[in-house]
Amino acid sequence: DAGVIQSPRHEVTEMGQEVTLRCKPISGHDYLFWYRQTMMRGLELLIYFNNNVPIDDSGMPEDRFSAKMPNASFSTLKIQPSEPRDSAVYFCASSFGTEKLFFGSGTQLSVL
Amino acid sequence: KNEVEQSPQNLTAQEGEFITINCSYSVGISALHWLQQHPGGGIVSLFMLSSGKKKHGRLIATINIQEKHSSLHITASHPRDSAVYICAVSRGSQGNLIFGKGTKLSVKP
Repeated sequence: DAGVIQSPRHEVTEMGQEVTLRCKPISGHDYLFWYRQTMMRGLELLIYFNNNVPIDDSGMPEDRFSAKMPNASFSTLKIQPSEPRDSAVYFCASSFGTEKLFFGSGTQLSVL
Repeated sequence: KNEVEQSPQNLTAQEGEFITINCSYSVGISALHWLQQHPGGGIVSLFMLSSGKKKHGRLIATINIQEKHSSLHITASHPRDSAVYICAVSRGSQGNLIFGKGTKLSVKP
């Protein structure tokens, strides 16, 4: 398996634009997590899914953020409209049950 | 006060030294994780433990549930161990994590 795949690796956009981050979890994993990492706040959980169903989105900063998991092999995190304070590295991770997490390489987002 | 505290924040060691990184937490947990973040940014899960001790190669992780404390030990450290080591605790679902701020380790040859 190729591991957790995120795209794009880097995204530079202007304030107000829509940004979509993508994640393909490891096949067979039933949990998917979105995290954000900033210098100020470190790593934070944004939202997680179990069997494609959102379980806890309390970490999503505000209504500008939304996440979907239409099937077991794909998830998106969307920011609309984007703001400079959204600049961060966004990680996707997946796991099978209570087994350990596997992280993607992250998407470095810069909002100008 | 953060729910997960790590110490030290930064650590510089000479190659071959024995290294200990500490993690204390203040909440009830289902498991504790040690993660390694390489200079390039990728994150790897090193250990997930809920009791006792786990060992993988030169790495050893221990946890004391009563004292709400965990340690990560690296024996015979090597420059390739240079990374940020992050402690995180899970409550309920194991990926629903609260993260420490990380310990930046630099091992000099």
